[in-house]
Amino acid sequence: DAGVTQSPTHLIKTRGQQVTLRCSPISGHKSVSWYQQVLGQGPQFIFQYYEKEERGRGNFPDRFSARQFPNYSSELNVNALLLGDSALYLCASSLPFGVDDEQFFGPGTRLTVL
Amino acid sequence: AQSVTQLGSHVSVSEGALVLLRCNYSSSVPPYLFWYVQYPNQGLQLLLKYTSAATLVKGINGFEAEFKKSETSFHLTKPSAHMSDAAEYFCAVSDEGNNRLAFGKGNQVVVIP
Repeated sequence: DAGVTQSPTHLIKTRGQQVTLRCSPISGHKSVSWYQQVLGQGPQFIFQYYEKEERGRGNFPDRFSARQFPNYSSELNVNALLLGDSALYLCASSLPFGVDDEQFFGPGTRLTVL
Repeated sequence: AQSVTQLGSHVSVSEGALVLLRCNYSSSVPPYLFWYVQYPNQGLQLLLKYTSAATLVKGINGFEAEFKKSETSFHLTKPSAHMSDAAEYFCAVSDEGNNRLAFGKGNQVVVIP
């Protein structure tokens, strides 16, 4: 079975641009979460979606937005990119979002902002 | 807000020696605690989790962790390090029922032959 997939693998943007990252969850998983991992730090929670509704949001500015589609895939959008947005963006999927439901992480998208 | 602390970003261990990674948590409610491993250019893989059942939790690849409420700790151990254990390890905590993880800064483990 395919795991969580993310695209693109790598991305280079310049300050002020906009970026869209994509995530396909494991088949049958209905919850998707997004995390930002800055170099040398642990991942930070950005968004959680379940059944196409936002169920949680971390401490990130409004430049960050996301959505989940009927097929449970998800997109993360970041507007007006800053140098500090350079990071590995991880997507995780799980069945519902109960704590006993293991989150499976994708390989991430490496975003570099110049 | 719930949080975890991991001290010492880099940990060197000799092959065959004990691996010990420390994690202390801060939580106002009974925590749910996790250890994840991240290999280069890969996502996170769950090693083990504590969800208020047995305090000694056994995970994959020979790792285990013990939940100690009195010490607010959830340290990860492996009796004998293998070269394949070289990776970054993250401790994480979540609120019951929402599965949103708060991670520590991680420990980069280097195994010396």
